[in-house]
Amino acid sequence: DADVTQTPRNRITKTGKRIMLECSQTKGHDRMYWYRQDPGLGLRLIYYSFDVKDINKGEISDGYSVSRQAQAKFSLSLESAIPNQTALYFCATSDSPPYQETQYFGPGTRLLVL
Amino acid sequence: KQEVTQIPAALSVPEGENLVLNCSFTDSAIYNLQWFRQDPGKGLTSLLLIQSSQREQTSGRLNASLDKSSGRSTLYIAASQPGDSATYLCAVRGSNDYKLSFGAGTTVTVRA
Repeated sequence: DADVTQTPRNRITKTGKRIMLECSQTKGHDRMYWYRQDPGLGLRLIYYSFDVKDINKGEISDGYSVSRQAQAKFSLSLESAIPNQTALYFCATSDSPPYQETQYFGPGTRLLVL
Repeated sequence: KQEVTQIPAALSVPEGENLVLNCSFTDSAIYNLQWFRQDPGKGLTSLLLIQSSQREQTSGRLNASLDKSSGRSTLYIAASQPGDSATYLCAVRGSNDYKLSFGAGTTVTVRA
């Protein structure tokens, strides 16, 4: 089984709809991240969480919110989806220092907002 | 703000040729640099992580070098194979924060 899973894998929605993307991990990591990837651009950080009670905005958090329901679960919500939120969304996890800081990524959720 | 650039954006080589992928970054105050591989429909897989105090890292046919003062890293893939076809991303972590700054990637095609 995959260590980092994302649901759904693909989603089509309409402008103005609220949607939630979910991420679960079995790696036992404290740190979790949400990124989006757009064609021709690198991944950009939306939100990150260092533990259940510690949530921080990334560089492009406007229009998004998150919830860390448990150590293993980190959800991303689009309160009112708009077409420029069409992108590939990745969840990632990492261990805490002093351990290896490699980030482990889920398979991605491809979102289309019409 | 850290800017990470990868050139070229795409590369096509015959099987067996060595690959050289370039990554440059604007702020040399980094904590570490990582190279990732991205396959369609799959997430990113970390290939190599180089701490700021290191000059290179090696794993099998892969070798990554880091020149922090000039803001450059190079990923070498020896004796390329069709299975090496993927997009390779470079990511830099700043020394004062936990954020990774990603390049847009180099898409590699290895022709059989």
